[in-house]
Amino acid sequence: QKEVEQNSGPLSVPEGAIASLNCTYSDRGSQSFFWYRQYSGKSPELIMFIYSNGDKEDGRFTAQLNKASQYVSLLIRDSQPSDSATYLCAAGGAGGTSYGKLTFGQGTILTVHP
Amino acid sequence: DGGITQSPKYLFRKEGQNVTLSCEQNLNHDAMYWYRQDPGQGLRLIYYSQIVNDFQKGDIAEGYSVSREKKESFPLTVTSAQKNPTAFYLCASSYSLYTIYFGEGSWLTVV
Repeated sequence: QKEVEQNSGPLSVPEGAIASLNCTYSDRGSQSFFWYRQYSGKSPELIMFIYSNGDKEDGRFTAQLNKASQYVSLLIRDSQPSDSATYLCAAGGAGGTSYGKLTFGQGTILTVHP
Repeated sequence: DGGITQSPKYLFRKEGQNVTLSCEQNLNHDAMYWYRQDPGQGLRLIYYSQIVNDFQKGDIAEGYSVSREKKESFPLTVTSAQKNPTAFYLCASSYSLYTIYFGEGSWLTVV
């Protein structure tokens, strides 16, 4: 059974701080990794994807991937109250696998308080 | 505008009744998916289709059925065999490994 596990929440950080979200995956065949943000009652929206070891930065967001440790993380710098949401980590398979066939973690609730 | 349209947004099902959730996309994507989300949980894959007239079971296909007669459409039927259907249902489509679009979702409640 392929599994994606996220650090238990909820996570609460003050405005302006760095929020750190973590995720581990069990399937070494996973090749691509995604972070989605989901507001209550809404569909997930893609924040970042990463498929190479190392860091990938996009604005205030940095995704980190360590395939040897089967670990993915998302850092949110200068956290804002609008970042308060559930963050979903997802893993996708290798070539030949249907693109959107993802395995999701259970999500981590982030609250950024003023 | 291009996108994925799910309907209805809210649906109520009586015991023993089949209901169908609609999913239409005008993105010209080959692949389409149905996910289910329970409160406080991640998404779980129900069915997916990579091409017209072909579809595959996901992790939780029991009690569900789909069809893919047109590229644009991938309806999901929740049958009476699905004993706990109350959930948030999300349809998605993709054309590459890194481009996956979700619809707005449909809420299904058993009454």
